[in-house]
Amino acid sequence: GQQVQQSPASLVLQEGENAELQCNFSTSLNSMQWFYQRPGGSLVSLFYNPSGTKHSGRLTSTTVIKERRSSLHISSSQTTDSGTYLCALEKGNYKYVFGAGTRLKVIA
Amino acid sequence: EAAVTQSPRSKVAVTGGKVTLSCHQTNNHDYMYWYRQDTGHGLRLIHYSYVADSTEKGDIPDGYKASRPSQENFSLILELASLSQTAVYFCASSTGGSDYTFGSGTRLLVI
Repeated sequence: GQQVQQSPASLVLQEGENAELQCNFSTSLNSMQWFYQRPGGSLVSLFYNPSGTKHSGRLTSTTVIKERRSSLHISSSQTTDSGTYLCALEKGNYKYVFGAGTRLKVIA
Repeated sequence: EAAVTQSPRSKVAVTGGKVTLSCHQTNNHDYMYWYRQDTGHGLRLIHYSYVADSTEKGDIPDGYKASRPSQENFSLILELASLSQTAVYFCASSTGGSDYTFGSGTRLLVI
């Protein structure tokens, strides 16, 4: 089965709305990371978050190790937030197993 | 500026032909990775390397070889390209933690 499951698969927001993206892991959590994939394809790291809560601007990531889950909260969404959000589970040697992603579209 | 550069950006290959995808990083990172992404899916690890002249198999290595001749360069080789290898390929470098840097990807179409 899939080690990393993301929900929802897709999401459409009106600009200014908030979003909560979920990531669940079927195996024990060593470390994890959230990535953003631009519509053009390239990926950037948003959060390296082994545990706890981290903030960056309008983004907040919360990882709960015991529950094997992580969430990404986007507040006051903007059209430039559109793209795909991927969570990934570290499997040692900084190798990652990725979820299928959440495709976000923010409309003005 | 530190970066990961992939070449070519896109390629059309014939079934049974040989394909080489190249990756160059200026981050001074020890770890390098090759992932593939199929439409609508996340990334899957093909090969990785943590030191020059050594490569390791990832989760889906069948049909692929890798070469790491220097710290900066990491290639992915498809000796006999097949239709199922049509995908977008991403190279990445890392020393661990949040400094995971991806290239822009190579779109490979095998016909």
